[in-house]
Amino acid sequence: EVQLVESGGGLVQPGESLRLSCEVSGFSVGGNWMSWVRQAPGKGLEWVSVMYTNGNTQYSDSVEGRFTVSRDTSKNTVYLQMSSLRPEDTAVYYCAKGPNYDSWGQGDLVTVSS
Amino acid sequence: EVVLTQSPATLSLSPGERATLSCRASQSVGVYLAWFQQKPGQSPRLLIYDVSRRATGIPARFSGSGSGTDFTLTISSLQTEDFALYYCHQHSNWPFTFGGGTKVEI
Repeated sequence: EVQLVESGGGLVQPGESLRLSCEVSGFSVGGNWMSWVRQAPGKGLEWVSVMYTNGNTQYSDSVEGRFTVSRDTSKNTVYLQMSSLRPEDTAVYYCAKGPNYDSWGQGDLVTVSS
Repeated sequence: EVVLTQSPATLSLSPGERATLSCRASQSVGVYLAWFQQKPGQSPRLLIYDVSRRATGIPARFSGSGSGTDFTLTISSLQTEDFALYYCHQHSNWPFTFGGGTKVEI
């Protein structure tokens, strides 16, 4: 069974850093595109980043230079390192599998507020 | 950036009726267009990928069509569980983008 579980969210102050984890089972993070998508409270979906099978990454303009995606294939986990966080980064962050996001995690709330 | 414009913003229908949702792209996205359903408090669920391919377990009443810049999600006969938010998404051009969503309500 395919499962994705995000963790690491919480309340941080503007300018601080946070690392989200997405631990998966039922498939390999190294053999699939892995993406992060976020949703601000009451708003729509926003694409954040993708890591391809070859390890290359792409980011949205709003997080480029502040967020970094990495993976640990031995732990079957993908990470989203977020730095210089801003109030507008407040959202539920989802990880999703594949180019078509055929499976999603339950989401993890990140709140950036003083 | 490819802007995806979904219309209408809200669609008010009754069970059994046909729903037609539109997604227009600001430039061609080829076949890399997907549709998602999201219910309150839940993660999005993939319905359609590559314009018209139904995801695993998705009922046949959901269908996708279109090409280039104009795409449509059709729900042939609305069931109670279909009242939700629907988003289109393109992964043809960076940055990948989502549409603003269409709410299908009773």
